[in-house]
Formats: sequence, structure tokens, C-alpha cells
Amino acid sequence: DAKTTQPTSMDCAEGRAANLPCNHSTISGNEYVYWYRQIHSQGPQYIIHGLKNNETNEMASLIITEDRKSSTLILPHATLRDTAVYYCIVRPTGFQKLVFGTGTRLLVSP
Amino acid sequence: SAVISQKPSRDICQRGTSLTIQCQVDSQVTMMFWYRQQPGQSLTLIATANQGSEATYESGFVIDKFPISRPNLTFSTLTVSNMSPEDSSIYLCSVEDAGGASGYTFGSGTRLTVV
Repeated sequence: DAKTTQPTSMDCAEGRAANLPCNHSTISGNEYVYWYRQIHSQGPQYIIHGLKNNETNEMASLIITEDRKSSTLILPHATLRDTAVYYCIVRPTGFQKLVFGTGTRLLVSP
Repeated sequence: SAVISQKPSRDICQRGTSLTIQCQVDSQVTMMFWYRQQPGQSLTLIATANQGSEATYESGFVIDKFPISRPNLTFSTLTVSNMSPEDSSIYLCSVEDAGGASGYTFGSGTRLTVV
């Protein structure tokens, strides 16, 4: 499985955009980038995923660099409820298990 | 997305005993996954459970300690056997959503404390 590198922690002011980086320099052509988050004492929650194009949904945007070696998850207007651990995961197509790294602990403050 | 019901939500158990955790899904799924999350740590995959075959265990996890059943396409159990305080963790099940590419759904977890 391709490895990912994320900062251990980040802070963000409420209402501002939160930009969470992820490095996946060994990603292969058939591997998707997935983002999940885990709010304290809950199971992980799916946020978004992409292969090579930028993606946007109601929760977030995913920006993948052209060489696919890194990506950024953007929460456009962070709220206090976005405080969580965010996991960036790469997963090959047809290979179905998710392997979690250490994630980024995002703290959104008033 | 699939909806998962995981039971129990928490338990406190005596060392040397066993606990069986249940995971019920509201739709048929091919694979179910069991994870462990030790205090303050990330999730670690224990095993992948296919219906009708033995579970596939990750390195460091063995069937004698974590037997898994998968009797049908909507249900699975994980047993934590002969527990010690080191088994105190959150245990979570997960399934791949229908269509695959949309992501995975996780249960709410079972918080286990072994005393």
C-alpha cells in the first residue's frame, strides 16, 4: 500500500478555510486518494475521494496535484464541529481494504 | 450509504474472559472489515471477513485470539478471546458501500475496557 504523510496537527479559526495537506509520493496510477475524518468517540466518516481530477461535494473539496504526489483537503468554512482527526488514505482499485495512517488532528477554535 | 448497527457500544470485562461484538448491515455486502483502535492511536485493520470463507487476518492478528464469523451477507461477529488489559480498545466494523467507489461506512464502535 502506498504511504501517506500528514502533519500531526493543525489549527484553524472558525469560519476560515481549513487546508489539510497530504503527501503520497509513491502513489500508483490506479490508486485513489480517500479522505476520512473521525470525530471523538465516533467511527470514521467518509468525506471525499478522487483519482486525478479535483473533486468537490457538500462537505469539502479535494485538490490533487498534476503529478498526483500530493493532495489537499479543503473545508471552505470550518466550524467547531469540524474538529476531528482527518485521515488521508490511498487505495488501489480492486483492492478493497483501507489502511489508516496517523492522520492530522484539526482543532477549530472560535 | 449502508447503515451499520454495532453491538455492544461499550463493555467492561474481566481478564481471561471473551467478548463477542456484533455487526449488522442493512444491505448485503461482500466484504466486512474489523479494525482495532487503541487509546490515542489510529485504526489498525484486524481482518477481512468474506461470507462463506475464513477471514483473512493481517500481520500480528491470529484467528485464535480474534475469531470471526460471517454467516451471511449482512452480519458478522468478532470475538476478543482470553482478554487482557492490553486488549482495551475501540473495535470497529466497516463495509464497502454499494458500488465500491463511494467509500466505506463504519460502525460506531465498541469501546472495550478489560480490568
